[in-house]
Amino acid sequence: DTGVSQNPRHKITKRGQNVTFRCDPISEHNRLYWYRQTLGQGPEFLTYFQNEAQLEKSRLLSDRFSAERPKGSFSTLEIQRTEQGDSAMYLCASSLETGANTGELFFGEGSRLTVL
Amino acid sequence: TQLLEQSPQFLSIQEGENLTVYCNSSSVFSSLQWYRQEPGEGPVLLVTVVTGGEVKKLKRLTFQFGDARKDSSLHITAAQPGDTGLYLCAGGPYNTDKLIFGTGTRLQVFP
Repeated sequence: DTGVSQNPRHKITKRGQNVTFRCDPISEHNRLYWYRQTLGQGPEFLTYFQNEAQLEKSRLLSDRFSAERPKGSFSTLEIQRTEQGDSAMYLCASSLETGANTGELFFGEGSRLTVL
Repeated sequence: TQLLEQSPQFLSIQEGENLTVYCNSSSVFSSLQWYRQEPGEGPVLLVTVVTGGEVKKLKRLTFQFGDARKDSSLHITAAQPGDTGLYLCAGGPYNTDKLIFGTGTRLQVFP
């Protein structure tokens, strides 16, 4: 399977714990995005990378959230000191830079976080 | 802040009916995409429109990008149960390569 892979698919944690999600994009894609989605709503942009460079981070993202893409391949999203409001589906997507408009985003199946 | 508002939020119809979903913003976008998402899965691209006034047809689905590049619509003819899902519009701002997603329209088509 050469699609976008995310793990774990589900994570249940207690408030105050740290969690880390991993995303493996489509291999030739140089852009990688993280979004957060709550039930029935549209995905909310968190951050994106072009190769290993983090180009933009949402102003809504608190300092407890950090993302990395160290070698321009897989990425991790860490949430420190989780809060109940962090409960959501965390979606990763990758795309190939076209040089013009934003290209098609290919999404993974998401990592669902539940904070008790 | 760039926002994309979709309407209606929920739509429940019988098989064979027609429907239109609207996506509106006060911001101008260089391109607009429509995605469909099914439970437990990530969104999947349906279409990209890049020219103001552009109309694209994919079988029973018709997409339109507004002349001012601020709004879009999705029209489905003769809806089928397989069309059930969450429909999301997504705008590409001029000054960035991220996509801004709309608020979503949940469509349920009953047999």
